[in-house]
Amino acid sequence: SYDLTQPPSVSVSPGQTASITCSGDNLGDKYAFWYQQRPGQSPVLVMYQDSKRPSGIPERFSGSNSGSTATLTISGTQAMDEADYYCQAWDSSTVVFGGGTKLTVL
Amino acid sequence: QVQLQESGPGLVKPSETLSLTCSVSGGSISEYYWSWIRQPPGKGLEWIGYIFNSGSTDYNPSLNSRVTISLDSSKNQFSLKLSSVTAADTAVYYCARVSGTSFGSLYFDFWGQGSLVTVSS
Repeated sequence: SYDLTQPPSVSVSPGQTASITCSGDNLGDKYAFWYQQRPGQSPVLVMYQDSKRPSGIPERFSGSNSGSTATLTISGTQAMDEADYYCQAWDSSTVVFGGGTKLTVL
Repeated sequence: QVQLQESGPGLVKPSETLSLTCSVSGGSISEYYWSWIRQPPGKGLEWIGYIFNSGSTDYNPSLNSRVTISLDSSKNQFSLKLSSVTAADTAVYYCARVSGTSFGSLYFDFWGQGSLVTVSS
């Protein structure tokens, strides 16, 4: 089976840049997707097809994917960005999620 | 704006079948693909399966033998059945809309609020 690995936690100071990584075998050959989940809420799509932002997602969110690592970058991180972030990819016709990264803004 | 709402029993006994329905408003269910995803308490997301608007399905291999997803276009709903449940199936179950053009590029752009299902006697 295909696995996606994320760091369990990332910390960032307000106004700084946060980078959340997602690693998988030749992940750069696939599309990566990212979801934000605030406590007690449903996940929200924040990045699709590596680097495309859905309508309503702030420009401070950006994405990249190359080699074996996809990265979600949040520039000028705000307190409201504190949440769990999950990467997702496809392995043939099945969906795989990473284990999630808790972003703490402190 | 499309909205999804899960409904079904919040408590299911071990060995029985979990049944949930997702009602879709603000758009036709026939125009997209649809999926179920679950999240055990305090844990990450696990994809359960999806259904195409044609009615064909694909499931997580780890759940394949126990899962059935079906579509009711007349009611603009789709459903999940998970048989022979155990405590390990206790989770928040989300329904979601699938967008994109082909395998590998599909993504979940709208999610329901989630429905907590507890498996306990």
